[in-house]
Amino acid sequence: EAGVTQFPSHSVIEKGQTVTLRCDPISGHDNLYWYRRVMGKEIKFLLHFVKESKQDESGMPNNRFLAERTGGTYSTLKVQPAELEDSGVYFCASSPVRGTLSTGELFFGEGSRLTVL
Amino acid sequence: RKEVEQDPGPFNVPEGATVAFNCTYSNSASQSFFWYRQDCRKEPKLLMSVYSSGNEDGRFTAQLNRASQYISLLIRDSKLSDSATYLCVVNKSGYNKLIFGAGTRLAVHP
Repeated sequence: EAGVTQFPSHSVIEKGQTVTLRCDPISGHDNLYWYRRVMGKEIKFLLHFVKESKQDESGMPNNRFLAERTGGTYSTLKVQPAELEDSGVYFCASSPVRGTLSTGELFFGEGSRLTVL
Repeated sequence: RKEVEQDPGPFNVPEGATVAFNCTYSNSASQSFFWYRQDCRKEPKLLMSVYSSGNEDGRFTAQLNRASQYISLLIRDSKLSDSATYLCVVNKSGYNKLIFGAGTRLAVHP
């Protein structure tokens, strides 16, 4: 079974440009999450989808970030315009578990490394 | 103050050593607790859940002290393949998201 896949694995852009990251969750996983790790810091929650609906976007840094999950399958995270502080690794994770994460098991992709120059 | 605090390490230990990692969390509403493992430039993967009574999985033992808001992970008979970053993770009651510590790096050498 395919795991969570993310594209691109690495993106280098200039400040002010736009980048779109894509995540394909494990087939059948209704829950999809985006997390981010900025250099030297902990992995931080960005948002959570259940199917195509945003359940919690409390971690989104500002309105330059837009996440979508049309049709409840893959998801995109767009950063527009990118700033230097957006550099980091963006992880996508999925889970079949409904409700609270009592089992704690999220299946993560390998991440998309974003470098903003 | 961070919600989950860990000693960043690195812990450099020889093969066969026993090593312990500690973690504290600040929110008493935290409900579920986990240790994740992350290899260099790879994704985090669930290592084990942590239960109030303590639990063991092979060479790994996890402990939780709710009163002190403290979690630990003990690795016995360290292997070279145990080299990784160990992430302490909590889930708050009623929230559907995980909160990560910054991780403790372990390097096991021959």
